[in-house]
Amino acid sequence: GAVVSQHPSWVICKSGTSVKIECRSLDFQATTMFWYRQFPKQSLMLMATSNEGSKATYEQGVEKDKFLINHASLTLSTLTVTSAHPEDSSFYICSGKPGAGRNTEAFFGQGTRLTVV
Amino acid sequence: GQQLNQSPQSMFIQEGEDVSMNCTSSSIFNTWLWYKQDPGEGPVLLIALYKAGELTSNGRLTAQFGITRKDSFLNISASIPSDVGIYFCAGRGHGGSNYKLTFGKGTLLTVNP
Repeated sequence: GAVVSQHPSWVICKSGTSVKIECRSLDFQATTMFWYRQFPKQSLMLMATSNEGSKATYEQGVEKDKFLINHASLTLSTLTVTSAHPEDSSFYICSGKPGAGRNTEAFFGQGTRLTVV
Repeated sequence: GQQLNQSPQSMFIQEGEDVSMNCTSSSIFNTWLWYKQDPGEGPVLLIALYKAGELTSNGRLTAQFGITRKDSFLNISASIPSDVGIYFCAGRGHGGSNYKLTFGKGTLLTVNP
C-alpha cells in the first residue's frame, strides 16, 4: 500500500519551545491530510483536516494558534506545536488521502511521540 | 457528536482460538473501517465496509456492516501470536473519505502461544 512517513518518530523538547512534525506521502499525492492525537491507552482524536493550499479545519476544542498546520504541497503537511507544555505530550499521527476515489481511504503515518519536559 | 462504543475493551485468548469484537453507534454511519495498531505505530487498515449488510473477508479476518448501519463486528479466526495489538473500529457519518472518521476506544488483544 501507499506510504506515509512522519518525522521525527520521537522528540523531547523543553516547556515553552516549539516543535515541528512533518508528514510526507512518499508515493502518492495527498490532497487531504488529517492530524490526530492519541493519549496513552486512548483512541485517536482528530485534531484537524487540511486540504492542500487551504487553511486547516480544526475540531472543536483544538487551538489553531497553538497547533499550526501547513499543507503547502501535495506531499507534505506539517504540524507545529507552539509554546509546548507537558500536557501537550502525546502521540501525534497524521494520515494522507490520495486524491481520487470516493472510497479511497487515508493511509496513516507511523506517528510521532512528543514529550515535553 | 457521534460516539462509538467498542467492546470488549480487552481480550486474552489462546493461540488458535477465534475472536470477535464489535462496535455500536448511537447514529447511522455510511462507512465502517477496522484498523490494527501495534505499539508505537500508526493504525493499519484491515477491512473497509461501505454498504449496509456487507460482509467482507481479508484472510482470517471477517467484518460485517450491520444492516441498521449502527453497528459492525470483526472476527479473527484461528488466532496467532502476531495478531496481538489494539484493534479499532472507525465510522464515517456522511460523505466520501475526505470527511472525518470517528474512532472507537479500541480492543486490546493478547494471544498466548
